[in-house]
Amino acid sequence: RKEVEQDPGPFNVPEGATVAFNCTYSNSASQSFFWYRQDCRKEPKLLMSVYSSGNEDGRFTAQLNRASQYISLLIRDSKLSDSATYLCVVTHYNQGGKLIFGQGTELSVKP
Amino acid sequence: DADVTQTPRNRITKTGKRIMLECSQTKGHDRMYWYRQDPGLGLRLIYYSFDVKDINKGEISDGYSVSRQAQAKFSLSLESAIPNQTALYFCATSAAGEVQPQHFGDGTRLSIL
Repeated sequence: RKEVEQDPGPFNVPEGATVAFNCTYSNSASQSFFWYRQDCRKEPKLLMSVYSSGNEDGRFTAQLNRASQYISLLIRDSKLSDSATYLCVVTHYNQGGKLIFGQGTELSVKP
Repeated sequence: DADVTQTPRNRITKTGKRIMLECSQTKGHDRMYWYRQDPGLGLRLIYYSFDVKDINKGEISDGYSVSRQAQAKFSLSLESAIPNQTALYFCATSAAGEVQPQHFGDGTRLSIL
């Protein structure tokens, strides 16, 4: 079983839709959580960190449930430019910044 | 100019050849990382370095070696390339600390025939 698991998709949604991605992690010692975005054949870029209380950045909302070892990303009012692969990422306590990546969820927003 | 620069951007080579991928950064970060990405497998850590004298194996270090020549430079070598090392390779950097985001280079697309 992979340490960080995501539904690979693809998720095909119309513009303006709300879409949610889920991610589960298996190591209860996981400490920090992030969502990265990767466009086709490009480098991953940090989208947002995920805090215990949940956090929002514009149309993007991230949630963390430590008890269930579950992270989510909600995108409201999808834009064509949101089409990308979204990577769920965790780090472990005392591993000094090493990131463990999920395989990514592909999103395609259609006109 | 990019903060994290990888060279070459693309490389096609033959089985058994020695290959070096270079990474340099202008971000002043202490920590540098090498990943490979394969379809359906996500990004996997090959090696990482927290400062010039520090080298650590990642998840999939077999068949690879690294050199941290300076704070700004971290190179990855494939001593004798094999076809299953065909992948997209990324270098990344981060500042010291537990929750620092990583900044990635543009990637090197490597094909081994």
